[in-house]
Amino acid sequence: AQSVTQLDSQVPVFEEAPVELRCNYSSSVSVYLFWYVQYPNQGLQLLLKYLSGSTLVKGINGFEAEFNKSQTSFHLRKPSVHISDTAEYFCAVSKGIQGAQKLVFGQGTRLTINP
Amino acid sequence: EAQVTQNPRYLITVTGKKLTVTCSQNMNHEYMSWYRQDPGLGLRQIYYSMNVEVTDKGDVPEGYKVSRKEKRNFPLILESPSPNQTSLYFCASSLRVPYNEQFFGPGTRLTVL
Repeated sequence: AQSVTQLDSQVPVFEEAPVELRCNYSSSVSVYLFWYVQYPNQGLQLLLKYLSGSTLVKGINGFEAEFNKSQTSFHLRKPSVHISDTAEYFCAVSKGIQGAQKLVFGQGTRLTINP
Repeated sequence: EAQVTQNPRYLITVTGKKLTVTCSQNMNHEYMSWYRQDPGLGLRQIYYSMNVEVTDKGDVPEGYKVSRKEKRNFPLILESPSPNQTSLYFCASSLRVPYNEQFFGPGTRLTVL
């Protein structure tokens, strides 16, 4: 069974500093990878996704992620964070086109931006 | 406005009392899914549906039932709730996975005493 590990449960950073949220997955087959964001008391919203092609994926709100097949990682980055980026971030994976209907999430990383 | 709605948003109930959480989407999406969110565990998929009358188990289906009689609705049924089903539940829909985004509802916080 595939699994997703988010290596940090909480990440505090100062405003305008860069941030990286780490995500590793385990799967021996092709996967699709996603990052979702959950603002306080809201549902989840898609930040970006990797299906195929370029390994550097750009999403909304200035976020980007890089798919590294050899390291089975899909880390999320932003060069300069804002207070409004305070939220919980979830990495998720689905297993190729035949398994696309099943989405496995990581445990989540709570990003706190300090002024 | 395109959206996924869930009702109720908050529910406190007692062990064994059957309940239904409704989910409805107005985007004509074929795919719908239910998740539960627990601290430290992220979201775990309960059931999903690829289309009307087509449903299948996710990773944590025990104690839950679903039905998909109409495209827009995908209710989650707890026949005999237990305290370990206390959780935050999300419904989601998508035009076509994985190519299209999953849109999530606002969540239903369920407490089973």
